[in-house]
Amino acid sequence: AQSVTQPDIHITVSEGASLELRCNYSYGATPYLFWYVQSPGQGLQLLLKYFSGDTLVQGIKGFEAEFKRSQSSFNLRKPSVHWSDAAEYFCAVDRRAVGGYQKVTFGTGTKLQVIP
Amino acid sequence: GAGVSQTPSNKVTEKGKYVELRCDPISGHTALYWYRQSLGQGPEFLIYFQGTGAADDSGLPNDRFFAVRPEGSVSTLKIQRTERGDSAVYLCASSPEAGGRDEQFFGPGTRLTVL
Repeated sequence: AQSVTQPDIHITVSEGASLELRCNYSYGATPYLFWYVQSPGQGLQLLLKYFSGDTLVQGIKGFEAEFKRSQSSFNLRKPSVHWSDAAEYFCAVDRRAVGGYQKVTFGTGTKLQVIP
Repeated sequence: GAGVSQTPSNKVTEKGKYVELRCDPISGHTALYWYRQSLGQGPEFLIYFQGTGAADDSGLPNDRFFAVRPEGSVSTLKIQRTERGDSAVYLCASSPEAGGRDEQFFGPGTRLTVL
């Protein structure tokens, strides 16, 4: 079975401060990993993805994530948060099904609040 | 270009009624997915289409839920005899092909409220 754990339901940071959102996964093989962001009334938008290779992945909007196999983690980071980053963030794991198609499990999300 | 669109954006219905939710994927995308997102949860997989066929419907909660994609583009999720527990946001996503390294592109969702 696979699962994705986002231990922080809600995080508040000051604008300009650094951010780290945690994600742990449980999966037997090398996972394909994603971070999505969801703003109110908006669809899910992909921030970044990891399939293989360099374990530090750069994404859009200044986000990055690091895959750590030994810790089964894929934490999302940003050095300086902007007020527009306030949203809900989802970590997701893609377990390729037998037919080769994506079978994605999402975490429960972390809501980010940014204060002035 | 146009993204994934879903209609209606909001749907309010009464318990026991039938509803249809529509998804227009990105043109040319062969893979289409439906998810359900309950309050405070991440999206949960419902069904996957490759072309016209439902290749994986293991996420459908029961036989009241059914989905079609007759021409390999637009898809409709159908819910019979709706229950209050069906209230959620229903998300549709598409990708260029089933495998590969392309991500899924999500629509804005349909918020279903069953009274």
